[in-house]
Amino acid sequence: GQQLNQSPQSMFIQEGEDVSMNCTSSSIFNTWLWYKQDPGEGPVLLIALYKAGELTSNGRLTAQFGITRKDSFLNISASIPSDVGIYFCAGHPPGQFYFGTGTSLTVIP
Amino acid sequence: DVKVTQSSRYLVKRTGEKVFLECVQDMDHENMFWYRQDPGLGLRLIYFSYDVKMKEKGDIPEGYSVSREKKERFSLILESASTNQTSMYLCASGKGAHRNQPQHFGDGTRLSIL
Repeated sequence: GQQLNQSPQSMFIQEGEDVSMNCTSSSIFNTWLWYKQDPGEGPVLLIALYKAGELTSNGRLTAQFGITRKDSFLNISASIPSDVGIYFCAGHPPGQFYFGTGTSLTVIP
Repeated sequence: DVKVTQSSRYLVKRTGEKVFLECVQDMDHENMFWYRQDPGLGLRLIYFSYDVKMKEKGDIPEGYSVSREKKERFSLILESASTNQTSMYLCASGKGAHRNQPQHFGDGTRLSIL
């Protein structure tokens, strides 16, 4: 199946720092999604992107649909302890959705 | 808010047993999905369904089957459970004809096969 490369795999940051993570694919996608998964819970949708170049914010989170349509970025500003979790990207080629392997974020108070 | 409910959060079964995982969504979504989640491998699609009584294989269907008799319910069946099916299983649903609509997930079932 389709492979999405998500990086970094893990991050350890101080509270208040900004965070950046990204996903790349080998083919063009029509949709990019970003999810967060808390321990023991299912993934929760954070942001959905449908157009190349689109930049969308959700509170302190901002995500962008890359203009090549092969990548997407998620930024978290001024991190807080509750940002801890695993962040997944998902892309839709069309066909089915494919998921990245996740970025594990630890925020140190 | 979309609610996707998986019947069990934790389940322990024995090798060779037939195992049923149930998923119900309350938003009248056409599309439903079953994934398994393993460390380092991310989410892998097992089966999906775009309509009642319809099913399609995902990337890793071997050893699994599904049933969609009603729109709101999508069941995953492990025909004869094996230890390599120990995993976190996630059900998701999504809206409509435009299949690029976001999927909404349940809280998962952590299944252990002994």
